[in-house]
Amino acid sequence: GAVVSQHPSWVICKSGTSVKIECRSLDFQATTMFWYRQFPKQSLMLMATSNEGSKATYEQGVEKDKFLINHASLTLSTLTVTSAHPEDSSFYICRGSLPGGIYGYTFGSGTRLTVV
Amino acid sequence: AQKITQTQPGMFVQEKEAVTLDCTYDTSDPSYGLFWYKQPSSGEMIFLIYQGSYDQQNATEGRYSLNFQKARKSANLVISASQLGDSAMYFCAMREGSGSSNTGKLIFGQGTTLQVKP
Repeated sequence: GAVVSQHPSWVICKSGTSVKIECRSLDFQATTMFWYRQFPKQSLMLMATSNEGSKATYEQGVEKDKFLINHASLTLSTLTVTSAHPEDSSFYICRGSLPGGIYGYTFGSGTRLTVV
Repeated sequence: AQKITQTQPGMFVQEKEAVTLDCTYDTSDPSYGLFWYKQPSSGEMIFLIYQGSYDQQNATEGRYSLNFQKARKSANLVISASQLGDSAMYFCAMREGSGSSNTGKLIFGQGTTLQVKP
């Protein structure tokens, strides 16, 4: 089946530094990648939608300069949290869209970010 | 605007018994899809079952079945013969549109934490 590989699984960084999270579609071409954020025991909140070769579309309230999304190829999308602060600590998870088919929504395994 | 509601923050079930997790939705689009995902403590999102708005029959996948009541806008998940490994958070999600109008965007409910007792 369609697999999205997400790295790293967890990361601890110092306040003020930037962190990059990668999502790779391994056996399909993810034309669209959705990025979600999840706080403990809460739902997944969509942050942005990225399409290969074009600028990401951010949801209302999401700072585009803080959460940089790049989808340079059909198999790789990245989320960079810039100048991270403790309040950015969260679980980030991506979801790749496989063209056609109702089951074309494969999630990565998620990244737990802790900013200290 | 589309909305998904899960009104049960937490549920308990005895091992080997069946449990129903509630989900209601609201949308003005006649074409939509409903999903259920399981999220264990590891965080991964595991796809369980899908129901399309035009599907005539309720979806089933092994021990999972979806009780789809279109008029009531509900899509409850039924887990039969609960197992200890079923303890997790469960999310109902909706995708609006189909074909060229399908953006692929999923909207999630608040989630229900299920604990299976031995």
